[in-house]
Amino acid sequence: GENVEQHPSTLSVQEGDSAVIKCTYSDSASNYFPWYKQELGKGPQLIIDIRSNVGEKKDQRIAVTLNKTAKHFSLHITETQPEDSAVYFCAARGVKAAGNKLTFGGGTRVLVKP
Amino acid sequence: DVKVTQSSRYLVKRTGEKVFLECVQDMDHENMFWYRQDPGLGLRLIYFSYDVKMKEKGDIPEGYSVSREKKERFSLILESASTNQTSMYLCASSLWGAVATNEKLFFGSGTQLSVL
Repeated sequence: GENVEQHPSTLSVQEGDSAVIKCTYSDSASNYFPWYKQELGKGPQLIIDIRSNVGEKKDQRIAVTLNKTAKHFSLHITETQPEDSAVYFCAARGVKAAGNKLTFGGGTRVLVKP
Repeated sequence: DVKVTQSSRYLVKRTGEKVFLECVQDMDHENMFWYRQDPGLGLRLIYFSYDVKMKEKGDIPEGYSVSREKKERFSLILESASTNQTSMYLCASSLWGAVATNEKLFFGSGTQLSVL
């Protein structure tokens, strides 16, 4: 099955700096790559996603890039703010997966220091 | 907004007890999922269901079962709880199909289960 690795596991940045989280996946047929943000005491929420026919997608201060050849994708957060502090999960969905079954990475705890 | 409600925020059980975790969603979603969240391991899929009375094993189904008698409710059952099942359990739902707008997972706030 699909295997997703996520790095780093923790990331501390100064407010205003950029943060980058990287994920690699194993199934070359995977076609959908979402990112979820989990704030303290809450369930994860989708913040951005990208499909295999697109190389980059941006939504305000967050962007995701996909390199299908290398089988990795990254989340970029610019001008970080304290409210960006959370745990972030990447995920990938293989073509053979049924019912929107996603494989998640191990998570990255991001701390934005004021 | 979609709401996914998990019945308990914290639960403490003894080894060997039968444990029920309940999840209810209010948006008529076909798909429902149970994940467990452990530090460094991310979210791992236990079971999912794409219709009433239908269930499929996820990546780590051992020691768990599920029940979906009504579309809005998906229960996770630990037949005989063990200490290695101490974890955060997250329920999620989504619409059916491969249409782009249907792929978003909506999560509940989670149940932190401690098995002593």
